[in-house]
Amino acid sequence: EPEVTQTPSHQVTQMGQEVILRCVPISNHLYFYWYRQILGQKVEFLVSFYNNEISEKSEIFDDQFSVERPDGSNFTLKIRSTKLEDSAMYFCASSLQGPNTGELFFGEGSRLTVL
Amino acid sequence: GNSVTQMEGPVTLSEEAFLTINCTYTATGYPSLFWYVQYPGEGLQLLLKATKADDKGSNKGFEATYRKETTSFHLEKGSVQVSDSAVYFCALSTSGNTPLVFGKGTRLSVIA
Repeated sequence: EPEVTQTPSHQVTQMGQEVILRCVPISNHLYFYWYRQILGQKVEFLVSFYNNEISEKSEIFDDQFSVERPDGSNFTLKIRSTKLEDSAMYFCASSLQGPNTGELFFGEGSRLTVL
Repeated sequence: GNSVTQMEGPVTLSEEAFLTINCTYTATGYPSLFWYVQYPGEGLQLLLKATKADDKGSNKGFEATYRKETTSFHLEKGSVQVSDSAVYFCALSTSGNTPLVFGKGTRLSVIA
């Protein structure tokens, strides 16, 4: 069964360092998402991507964050200069249809720890 | 804005017990409602959904009814199994391509 894969599963970094989280969505899906969950808190929407551009983004997704689909298969989230409060589990998801009508398929998550 | 409130966990039940996980929502517009489940070591996956008032979503013995009058979408199962141990997330999305909004999740542990 096709699945969304994410790497790395866990990354530890120093504050101020750049981090890239990678995702391979399901191959025929058209919509791509990043969510995050700080420990004990809600799963929060960061950004959605459709037709090679950002379609929605939240207030969390400020200038420190960027997304890219560099080669038609990978979907990356970059954090330019990490802060302590960026420590969270980051989930990538993809869907064939938009979120209101379609089913989102999530990866297992990448745990980011910022020291 | 849109938000989802779930009952706090963790919830610990014996096998074959009845499960209810409460979920209430606030939304601008007319939302679709979802329950997602995350088994240990896996990503979130859709468990069931309902797109209009009084619809009942069901899957794997779980069910939830979209109650517009009480803005609720409580998850129920008549007889839980150890394999149901997971984290359950209530979520909503309103019309168009507005992103899914999730609750905090409720951890369920079922003991034999």
